[in-house]
Amino acid sequence: NAGVTQTPKFQVLKTGQSMTLQCAQDMNHEYMSWYRQDPGMGLRLIHYSVGAGITDQGEVPNGYNVSRSTTEDFPLRLLSAAPSQTSVYFCASGLTRDIQYFGAGTRLSVL
Amino acid sequence: AQTVTQSQPEMSVQEAETVTLSCTYDTSESDYYLFWYKQPPSRQMILVIRQEAYKQQNATENRFSVNFQKAAKSFSLKISDSQLGDAAMYFCAYRSAETSGSRLTFGEGTQLTVNP
Repeated sequence: NAGVTQTPKFQVLKTGQSMTLQCAQDMNHEYMSWYRQDPGMGLRLIHYSVGAGITDQGEVPNGYNVSRSTTEDFPLRLLSAAPSQTSVYFCASGLTRDIQYFGAGTRLSVL
Repeated sequence: AQTVTQSQPEMSVQEAETVTLSCTYDTSESDYYLFWYKQPPSRQMILVIRQEAYKQQNATENRFSVNFQKAAKSFSLKISDSQLGDAAMYFCAYRSAETSGSRLTFGEGTQLTVNP
């Protein structure tokens, strides 16, 4: 039981490049979310999902896409990276809406 | 929209002593949930304690307890018998009972240092 696995752990991009942050969980959780963490601002919700095939926008969705084709995976896509997207990204999952298990995070730098 | 405020960017405590971290929130809803999460240097967020707004009894988990004041919209975390392993960033979070998904709204965080 690996919990919530995020890859990669670190990534450096150039402005305009695209990439996908991977998130996988092996606990059969329906609820999954993506957050970004910036200094002094806590975590902010980007997108979330309540089950396979169902996604919705959070607080800061612009510049990001998600899909949920399986229960296990919830990838986050950066379409055209911008320096403002430099952040630490966390994926979370939960069997219920309350108890959330977080991954170890992906530190992204956009130059 | 709901907001969560943690007014103490940093706190410190001596090992074995008690410390209280503050959190206030703003909402017009009556049904919601409040959480404290811990983020150690490993960066991984860990749920510490959870409180349902409809429960008047304050939640307790071992050395961690909360003081939930619904009318004042205050949700403080008390750590008793502090240990070196308690050193971390602590985040207060809010979730509405009325929205779908696990939409958490986080405060800015409080960095807790535990001195030996």
